[in-house]
Amino acid sequence: DIQMTQSPSTLSASVGDRVIITCRASQSVSSWLAWYQQKPGKAPKLLIYKASTLESGVPSRFSGSGSGTEFTLTVSSLQPDDFATYYCQQYNSYSEGLTFGPGTKVDIK
Amino acid sequence: QLQLQESGPGLVKPSETLSLTCTVSGGSISSSSHYWAWIRQSPGKGLEWIGSIYYSGSTYYSPSLKSRVTISVDTSKNQFSLKLSFVTVADTAVYYCARRPFGSGHDDWGQGTLVTVSS
Repeated sequence: DIQMTQSPSTLSASVGDRVIITCRASQSVSSWLAWYQQKPGKAPKLLIYKASTLESGVPSRFSGSGSGTEFTLTVSSLQPDDFATYYCQQYNSYSEGLTFGPGTKVDIK
Repeated sequence: QLQLQESGPGLVKPSETLSLTCTVSGGSISSSSHYWAWIRQSPGKGLEWIGSIYYSGSTYYSPSLKSRVTISVDTSKNQFSLKLSFVTVADTAVYYCARRPFGSGHDDWGQGTLVTVSS
């Protein structure tokens, strides 16, 4: 299995802050990495796929970068609607499983 | 607009089989460019991919659940289904069905259904 880690696990921030979340894979997943936002009681929402491609309708303050084993999700200016939990997921190979990271909760400072 | 809806029992006894169905509306499950997935989330925990299926019937399972999981597709009903056998309390979770386009993440999700394993 490919293991995914995220840091930090919790992040306290203020509206307007630049926020960076890191996701690491235990082996290379090339650019097959997605980021999701989840709010309590709701299904996850796809933000970014293929490491850096913004899903249609997602605000441009979200961006992704990285390849291989290290990836980042950046929110350039945190908005009130962005307080949520963020997950990365690799989808490099079905034979290895499609694993999610443990999540990063972004809360209000 | 594509919609996915999970259905099935909300309570399953330990050692029995959990069965859920996902009904797809507003689009065809026979799309040649999408996979269809089951993903779960234990209360207060993270997300776990269970497995995926292609409309042709090709299946892909989580290595950790493979021995207990069966996913099937019924293109005539625009549905796909999950069976998880020999459940324990650890299988209590919200179960989501979702769509994944080739090369992308899971872009459309059902609302999720809570399944509790308890005697």
